[in-house]
Amino acid sequence: EIVMTQSPATLSVSPGDRVTLSCRASQNVNSNFAWFQQKPGQAPRLLISGAFNRATGIPARFSGSASGTEFTLTISSLQSEDFAVYYCQQYNNWPLTFGGGTKVEIK
Amino acid sequence: QVQLVESGGGVVQPGRSLRLSCVASGFTISEYGMHWVRQAPGKGLEWVSSISYDTDSYYYTDSVKGRFTISRDISKNTLFLQMNSLRVEDSAIYYCARRTGGMDVWGQGTTVIVSS
Repeated sequence: EIVMTQSPATLSVSPGDRVTLSCRASQNVNSNFAWFQQKPGQAPRLLISGAFNRATGIPARFSGSASGTEFTLTISSLQSEDFAVYYCQQYNNWPLTFGGGTKVEIK
Repeated sequence: QVQLVESGGGVVQPGRSLRLSCVASGFTISEYGMHWVRQAPGKGLEWVSSISYDTDSYYYTDSVKGRFTISRDISKNTLFLQMNSLRVEDSAIYYCARRTGGMDVWGQGTTVIVSS
């Protein structure tokens, strides 16, 4: 099973900040990688798939990058609606696996 | 519009069964693989099961193998998850999601509580 490790667990930031979230895969997942955002009481929402590709309707301030087994989600200027929990996921191998999540909270 | 709506959750005793349904609209499930993902209270996301678009392939996380069965009814454009021999640790919100590389469409979830 591929283990996805997200860091940090919690990030305290202010609106307007540039935010970087990290996720490491325990083995190669190629670009079969996604980021999701989840707000309280809501279903997850796909932000990024294929490691780099924004999903339909996702603002340009969200971007994904990768280097080997290290993946990064960058929010260029955090908006109030971006406070949420973010999950990474690999879909290269079965079983599909998610990271433990990073909570982005207001400083 | 493209939408998924789950139902069938509830409170059930350990060892009993439930069948979850996920009705799709705005697209045809025969053209897409589909997933079930769950989230225990206050916890992260856990993939449960997937079915390929052509139903040639089925996948399950180890903890549900032999107990859960994923299936679909094309005529009803509906995905199912038959859950037998339920355990306390199966308590969670269960989401269905469309498989397109990433999971691009999610339902609102249905809650399963397994308790004596």
